[in-house]
Amino acid sequence: GQQVMQIPQYQHVQEGEDFTTYCNSSTTLSNIQWYKQRPGGHPVFLIQLVKSGEVKKQKRLTFQFGEAKKNSSLHITATQTTDVGTYFCAVRGSQGNLIFGKGTKLSVKP
Amino acid sequence: EAGVAQSPRYKIIEKRQSVAFWCNPISGHATLYWYQQILGQGPKLLIQFQNNGVVDDSQLPKDRFSAERLKGVDSTLKIQPAKLEDSAVYLCASTFGISNEQFFGPGTRLTVL
Repeated sequence: GQQVMQIPQYQHVQEGEDFTTYCNSSTTLSNIQWYKQRPGGHPVFLIQLVKSGEVKKQKRLTFQFGEAKKNSSLHITATQTTDVGTYFCAVRGSQGNLIFGKGTKLSVKP
Repeated sequence: EAGVAQSPRYKIIEKRQSVAFWCNPISGHATLYWYQQILGQGPKLLIQFQNNGVVDDSQLPKDRFSAERLKGVDSTLKIQPAKLEDSAVYLCASTFGISNEQFFGPGTRLTVL
């Protein structure tokens, strides 16, 4: 079935440093979604990418969808302590359901 | 707009006992999902409803798990009997359309002793 690999599993950064998480698939994706889950919280939708090579920005967050639509990345510029949490990518399964990656857990040292 | 509601928030039971979780999706959202999230992992779909019909339950352990959404609104997920490996957070999510963003409830943290 559809799978998506997400790396790294953990990332520890100093506040102000940049952070990037990557999501890779062996098959071409129709779209990809990104979610953030704060510690003890539930996943919250960040964005959906649909087009090949698409780049979207949300303040300090930059999302990219690869040209071949097999990979995606989330980049955070100048991390803040409020960025702490686990970032998940999610792709569509055959029934329209979402298949989540294992997530990248970000910790930020003040 | 009210979000997805779930109850209880926490539940501790002993193995072989039964437990039920409840979810009320956002009003007007036809699609409802139940996920299991084991510590350190991403949410894994258990079952997907479209209105009161099941779209996908391929990963639901049907020997012990059951779910229903009788009137196409709120839903219950039951585990009977529970095993130690069922300890997880059970998340309910809803969407207006299948391809839209999913809105998650706060989840129910289940501990099986």
